[in-house]
Amino acid sequence: GAGVSQSPSNKVTEKGKDVELRCDPISGHTALYWYRQSLGQGLEFLIYFQGNSAPDKSGLPSDRFSAERTGGSVSTLTIQRTQQEDSAVYLCASSLGGGAFSSYEQYFGPGTRLTVT
Amino acid sequence: QKEVEQNSGPLSVPEGAIASLNCTYSDRGSQSFFWYRQYSGKSPELIMSIYSNGDKEDGRFTAQLNKASQYVSLLIRDSQPSDSATYLCAVNPYTGRRALTFGSGTRLQVQP
Repeated sequence: GAGVSQSPSNKVTEKGKDVELRCDPISGHTALYWYRQSLGQGLEFLIYFQGNSAPDKSGLPSDRFSAERTGGSVSTLTIQRTQQEDSAVYLCASSLGGGAFSSYEQYFGPGTRLTVT
Repeated sequence: QKEVEQNSGPLSVPEGAIASLNCTYSDRGSQSFFWYRQYSGKSPELIMSIYSNGDKEDGRFTAQLNKASQYVSLLIRDSQPSDSATYLCAVNPYTGRRALTFGSGTRLQVQP
C-alpha cells in the first residue's frame, strides 16, 4: 500500500515568511508524528497527534511552530516568520494507534527539505 | 548524559563480514526499541523492532536486547556494500509518551 507522503519535497523561503508543510499518513494509521533533522544532527521530535488531537506538543521549539490534523488524516505543520535556524528536513511519520508494542512502529515519509535564506 | 547513545563511527567492515552496531539508553523503563537505516539524503527506514530481552532475527539482521544493561544492538551478517548507511537506534520510554528518542546514528561503511 501507499506509504507516508509529504509535500513539498523542497521549499526555499525568505526569512520572515510563513511556510506550510503537509503530511498524508499511511491509510489506517491513527497516530502521526512530526520530527526534524538538521544537517548532521539527529532526529528531533516536534509533535504527536492521535486522531485530530495533539496530546504531546512538547517538542515544538517556539510559538512560531504550530500543527493541525483534520479528519484524522492529513496534517499541516506551519512555521511563521521563518528564521535561518529553521532550515532542516522536516519528517512526518505515522503508526497504528492503540497500546500494543507494534503500534509504536513508526514509518517515515520522504521529508520536506526547508531552506530559509 | 544523552538519552540514547551510539558511536558515530564510521564503522568499516569488509564485504561478507558481520557488522555489530551498539546502542545504550538511559531510561530504565523503556519498553520498545527500534533500528532504522538511513541512506544519505533519504528518510529513515524501519528495519527491526524488539520488545523483549534476547535476540530477534530477520534475514541477515539480528537485534539483541538486554534491559538489565540498558543495551540494544544490531548485527548484520554477510554485510554488503548496499548496507552502507547510517543506522539509527530509537527508543520509546514507558511513560505513555509515544515519541521516539533517537540516537545520533552510527555510519556503517562496507568495503567491497
